[in-house]
Amino acid sequence: DTAVSQTPKYLVTQMGNDKSIKCEQNLGHDTMYWYKQDSKKFLKIMFSYNNKELIINETVPNRFSPKSPDKAHLNLHINSLELGDSAVYFCASSQDVYSSPGELFFGEGSRLTVL
Amino acid sequence: GESVGLHLPTLSVQEGDNSIINCAYSNSASDYFIWYKQESGKGPQFIIDIRSNMDKRQGQRVTVLLNKTVKHLSLQIAATQPGDSAVYFCAETYNTGFQKLVFGTGTRLLVSP
Repeated sequence: DTAVSQTPKYLVTQMGNDKSIKCEQNLGHDTMYWYKQDSKKFLKIMFSYNNKELIINETVPNRFSPKSPDKAHLNLHINSLELGDSAVYFCASSQDVYSSPGELFFGEGSRLTVL
Repeated sequence: GESVGLHLPTLSVQEGDNSIINCAYSNSASDYFIWYKQESGKGPQFIIDIRSNMDKRQGQRVTVLLNKTVKHLSLQIAATQPGDSAVYFCAETYNTGFQKLVFGTGTRLLVSP
């Protein structure tokens, strides 16, 4: 069983379109994240949710809207896609962001290409 | 500011050699450090971690060393294998009311047979 799964794995779309990426974790974790990895492999946190509550929003444009229907799911919706949004988006989860630090479990990534 | 960086973008070694990947961090309040391995087409995977009250931690074929005086972290891989070829990231975390993980820029390790 995949611990953190995200779909789709690849997404190619035109500028101006709206797209969504879905993420699910079956680890029973309370905290989920979205990270963006650029072409230089730099990983930057975008959002974090703890038990469906938004706790980190790293000055991401409001075209990006995360939604957590329950603590096992964290989806990312992107409006009016721009060329600079092209990247690999990783979903991750951890046991509880308020407790002692612990490792993050990452999904396989969703490669978004905006043409 | 927040900054976790690596000294070498690419490290090439021969199979069987020991590898050392270095990382510098700038936040003296960081209290927990993690090394991640990212293979091509996959998400980062946890390798080993160390808390700020420790200088050294060993795992299977890997050792992490922490020097808080100079804010330096290193990952040592013994008897490097082709399967170790990947991008390695150090990450630091500090408590801002909750744990926030900041990643470094990554080092690509290339292992030749």
